[in-house]
Amino acid sequence: GDSVTQMEGPVTLSEEAFLTINCTYTATGYPSLFWYVQYPGEGLQLLLKATKADDKGSNKGFEATYRKETTSFHLEKGSVQVSDSAVYFCALRKAGKLIFGQGTTLQVKP
Amino acid sequence: GAVVSQHPSWVICKSGTSVKIECRSLDFQATTMFWYRQFPKQSLMLMATSNEGSKATYEQGVEKDKFLINHASLTLSTLTVTSAHPEDSSFYICSANEPGQGNTEAFFGQGTRLTVV
Repeated sequence: GDSVTQMEGPVTLSEEAFLTINCTYTATGYPSLFWYVQYPGEGLQLLLKATKADDKGSNKGFEATYRKETTSFHLEKGSVQVSDSAVYFCALRKAGKLIFGQGTTLQVKP
Repeated sequence: GAVVSQHPSWVICKSGTSVKIECRSLDFQATTMFWYRQFPKQSLMLMATSNEGSKATYEQGVEKDKFLINHASLTLSTLTVTSAHPEDSSFYICSANEPGQGNTEAFFGQGTRLTVV
């Protein structure tokens, strides 16, 4: 069945470091791909999305490119801040249903 | 963007009692809503798809008699955890799509943390 796999965390970085969180997916057809962020004690917020191959989603300095050839949607940010500390979820969407990866905790230290 | 509101944001209940969680779409009508469960430090697992005016569709392994879902109007879906036990303690989150946006963005409620003691 359809699935999403993320790199295991936690990921601990110093402020201004470069961030990559890997995400790969398995799905038939052409799902839409998403990154969601969950801050402590809160629900999920959409960070960025891409709906077709080669699309690049971007928001708040984060980027991810829909790579159909490698079935990947890796999240990147050039310079992280302490306020980026959160749990990040990669997800695919088909027929209205979201399938999430296991989540990756990011800790950014000053 | 669209707003989805969940209530309550947290609840503590005694074993054996039932708890109702509400999910409302505040500025749009949602024919379909989704209920997820999140265990500590784990991902979200889809529990069921709530369809306005008809029965919910449950994912495999989810007890429909334990997790009652009602979607009586286009702006409200409820999840009732019946005869709750400590193992039902979890973070429950709902989501809804705007009409015509079936395969793009979902809007999430803020979640409900249920603790059964």
